[in-house]
Amino acid sequence: EAGVAQSPRYKIIEKRQSVAFWCNPISGHATLYWYQQILGQGPKLLIQFQNNGVVDDSQLPKDRFSAERLKGVDSTLKIQPAKLEDSAVYLCASSPKGGNQETQYFGPGTRLLVL
Amino acid sequence: GQNIDQPTEMTATEGAIVQINCTYQTSGFNGLFWYQQHAGEAPTFLSYNVLDGLEEKGRFSSFLSRSKGYSYLLLKELQMKDSASYLCAVREGGSYIPTFGRGTSLIVHP
Repeated sequence: EAGVAQSPRYKIIEKRQSVAFWCNPISGHATLYWYQQILGQGPKLLIQFQNNGVVDDSQLPKDRFSAERLKGVDSTLKIQPAKLEDSAVYLCASSPKGGNQETQYFGPGTRLLVL
Repeated sequence: GQNIDQPTEMTATEGAIVQINCTYQTSGFNGLFWYQQHAGEAPTFLSYNVLDGLEEKGRFSSFLSRSKGYSYLLLKELQMKDSASYLCAVREGGSYIPTFGRGTSLIVHP
């Protein structure tokens, strides 16, 4: 079974530029998550989708971050404009239904450096 | 909200046993996860506890005491490949989403 795919793996941009990340979850997984992991810290949830609907985006900085999952499969996360403090690894994870005991399966992440 | 506390770094010797502690404060507990994360890689699931007691899976075991807000991950017969960050994540009542601690960086040396 293929795992969660993410691209690009690495991205370097200058502050105030825009960037987009792509995630393809495990086939059949209804729930998709985007996390931000700053160096030396644990992952912090940015947004959770159930199919193509948003379940939780309370920690998403909506003035600059946006995410969509239009067809309930792939998802994109965008930052516009980027700030220095956005330098982090952006992890995508998926789970079958988002239920109480379900494990999240993480992708390899996109490492973003904002200069 | 939740406060999750883990040691920042631990070192241990190959073949030994190490215990990584995690304490938490939450208004309504709904499960605790342990994940392993090698440098530059994604977290991978190790264990899930929702009831008090010890869950054993091969060389790894996880313990939970809900009344004390405490969990530990026990790694036996340490191998060099166990050098990684170990993340404790706690789920609060009513939410399916765990909040992660900062992680404990474990260094295993020969």
